[in-house]
Amino acid sequence: NAGVMQNPRHLVRRRGQEARLRCSPMKGHSHVYWYRQLPEEGLKFMVYLQKENIIDESGMPKERFSAEFPKEGPSILRIQQVVRGDSAAYFCASSPQWLLHEQFFGPGTRLTVL
Amino acid sequence: GIQVEQSPPDLILQEGANSTLRCNFSDSVNNLQWFHQNPWGQLINLFYIPSGTKQNGRLSATTVATERYSLLYISSSQTTDSGVYFCAVGTSGSARQLTFGSGTQLTVLP
Repeated sequence: NAGVMQNPRHLVRRRGQEARLRCSPMKGHSHVYWYRQLPEEGLKFMVYLQKENIIDESGMPKERFSAEFPKEGPSILRIQQVVRGDSAAYFCASSPQWLLHEQFFGPGTRLTVL
Repeated sequence: GIQVEQSPPDLILQEGANSTLRCNFSDSVNNLQWFHQNPWGQLINLFYIPSGTKQNGRLSATTVATERYSLLYISSSQTTDSGVYFCAVGTSGSARQLTFGSGTQLTVLP
């Protein structure tokens, strides 16, 4: 059973460009979560999605960030007009439908904004 | 929101030594996980342990939910155990939103 997959593993963007991070959950998992790890900071929750629905986006910055989990295909975290402060490791996690269940994390995407 | 405190923040051990890492949380939880972030940055699931005790090889964990703490035990440490250990919790109001502690940086010397 393949684990959570994220791509790309490393992404370099110049200020003002767009970044698209992809996450494929584990087989059989219908819930996806995105977390961000900023340098010198801990891991912070960003957003929780089910297929075609955003359930909780309380941790998402109000501007430039968006997330989706379409009926077909991976979940996408999109960052528009990136700034240097967006440089971080972005982790995706997935879990099955049951409420009380562990989350399994992908290897992360390391975004560097030049 | 819930506060999660981990101690100690840093720990240096000689290979073969044992250690105990602690995670205190400020409210009731119904989800608690321990992770190891290896030197390559990957997050490895260690335990899903909202209550009780579990063991996996040289690692074991205990959560006493009523007293709001969890312990991670590492026995006979190896250099490959080095990295950061995170505790993360979910509460009844937001079980699916994990709140992470600041981690314990473990260095195991050969």
